[in-house]
Amino acid sequence: DQQVKQNSPSLSVQEGRISILNCDYTNSMFDYFLWYKKYPAEGPTFLISISSIKDKNEDGRFTVFLNKSAKHLSLHIVPSQPGDSAVYFCAASVGGFKTIFGAGTRLFVKA
Amino acid sequence: DVKVTQSSRYLVKRTGEKVFLECVQDMDHENMFWYRQDPGLGLRLIYFSYDVKMKEKGDIPEGYSVSREKKERFSLILESASTNQTSMYLCASSLDREGEKLFFGSGTQLSVL
Repeated sequence: DQQVKQNSPSLSVQEGRISILNCDYTNSMFDYFLWYKKYPAEGPTFLISISSIKDKNEDGRFTVFLNKSAKHLSLHIVPSQPGDSAVYFCAASVGGFKTIFGAGTRLFVKA
Repeated sequence: DVKVTQSSRYLVKRTGEKVFLECVQDMDHENMFWYRQDPGLGLRLIYFSYDVKMKEKGDIPEGYSVSREKKERFSLILESASTNQTSMYLCASSLDREGEKLFFGSGTQLSVL
């Protein structure tokens, strides 16, 4: 039973437009949510996170929104750039100890 | 610069072999993790460790064991490799703090023939 779900395997966006990646979770005990980015032949790298006590966190072009009542979070990338093309993993943890990942969404940003 | 190093980038083993995957981190992190990545399934947690000689099962521990004799080193052991263990294996580490991010190695692509 997947506790963290990314229902879109892929997303294609034009350069300069907004990319919105979505994630749903089932475990209400999760208190931290993170996004990781992965390029081919590399390990995932941390992108941005949000605590369950917040509903928004912003870092440059990246913003994560958390809707606890819907158990949903999203990552917005504005503006999207070709270098953003990668696989994005949504992840969640309880107390930051055991991190559960979603299946990932492959983002294509077209120039 | 923080670093998690996995000993092999590619490995090819035969069914039934005992396989060791090694991971070393230079950040003095308390927590270390082993994940496997498979298409459509994302990253699944195999085992993790929050201290030397301590280990906890993740979501898919069957067929695997781990060893953490030193703080910086976390080894994943496939006791008798099977074809369904062909996968990308990723090691990660983190500080023992709430919400702390994971630092990953580059991964080991294991093929079991």
